This record gives sequence, structure tokens and C-alpha cells, in this order.
Amino acid sequence: GQSLEQPSEVTAVEGAIVQINCTYQTSGFYGLSWYQQHDGGAPTFLSYNALDGLEETGRFSSFLSRSDSYGYLLLQELQMKDSASYFCAVRDQDGGFKTIFGAGTRLFVKA
Amino acid sequence: EPEVTQTPSHQVTQMGQEVILRCVPISNHLYFYWYRQILGQKVEFLVSFYNNEISEKSEIFDDQFSVERPDGSNFTLKIRSTKLEDSAMYFCASMIGGADTQYFGPGTRLTVL
Repeated sequence: GQSLEQPSEVTAVEGAIVQINCTYQTSGFYGLSWYQQHDGGAPTFLSYNALDGLEETGRFSSFLSRSDSYGYLLLQELQMKDSASYFCAVRDQDGGFKTIFGAGTRLFVKA
Repeated sequence: EPEVTQTPSHQVTQMGQEVILRCVPISNHLYFYWYRQILGQKVEFLVSFYNNEISEKSEIFDDQFSVERPDGSNFTLKIRSTKLEDSAMYFCASMIGGADTQYFGPGTRLTVL
């Protein structure tokens, strides 16, 4: 089957750095994406890795290791507004368009 | 900045009724999606649409579901005979192609009574 595993919950303090891991098992692989979702809101795209390595976008970075079927999202200089759910997602290359989401990691940022 | 829009924001219907959820993707995007999210759970892929046809669908997207792009701008999801378990938030998303950035609409909350 196809699955993505990520921690259900992470808590950190303002100003800290937090890493959210994601391991995946899918029949195909086209790339790993990360989305942020605030309560009651829509998922918002954060980052995408198709190749191994680190992608940096401001305070957010994302890493991929295709050989390990593993990636992570790194959030630096945490702010209260970063409290949200974070989903990793894999685009299934077999179908070309099907996107599988992980169950999400709830991030709580404390003052 | 262009955005995906969805209407209505909230739809309440009786079990067995038909509903149509509407989406206007970003105008130059080529790939369109419907997802659903049951409260507190993960986002689940329903269907993708490209070049005026369904490109892939999930096990959830059974014969009760259909999608249509009736004109150059709207993208609709129809549920023919709603069930209680169809109650969820339904998100439309669009993508220009190439890189994997999907832009999500604000969602339609469907409540089936």
C-alpha cells in the first residue's frame, strides 16, 4: 500500500528550530511537498523537493533523501503564527497526478 | 494575486440529495483536483483532471461522484446521492504544471443530515 508517516504532534518554543520528519512508502514517486494548514483554513503550499538535498525558502527548509524514502521540514525562528498542521505529500508518478497526503503533524508554538 | 475560489462556503443537504460544489481554478492552470478532509483528519485525494478528462481517481471517487469543466473557468464536483459519511470539507486545487505547487481553494464544508 501507499503510506506517509509523520509525527502527530510537536511542541516548541518561540524562536526555536523544529524539524518535522516524513517517511513514505509509495508505488511511484515524483516529489515530496509540504503544506501548512491553520485551523479552519485551506492547505497552503510551503515547499517541494524532487531531487535529493535541501531546499530553502526563508525560515522554512525542506530536505529529501530518495534512497531513504525520507524527508523533513525545518522551521527556524519559530513564531506563534507557525502553530498549525503540517502535511507532507507525495505525488504518485505511476498515475502522474494522484497526490497522497500524510496524516499531518500538529505544531504547537509556545511563548 | 490570483487565487482559487469555491462556492458555496457551506452546504447543508439531506441524505440522498444531489449536491454540486463549484470551483474556479486559477486561470492559466492546467491541472485540477478535488480533495476532501473529514474534520480532524488528513487531506484525501479524490480526483485529478487534465486536458478535459479525469486523469486519476481514488477509491473514494465511486459512481456517486462526477466532475465537470462545463466552460473555460468552472470546475465542479457532483455527488449524486449524498450519504452521511460524505460530510467533510471539500477542497479544490489547481496546478500550472511542472513543479508540484498546488493552490488550494478555501473549501466547501458539506454537511449531510
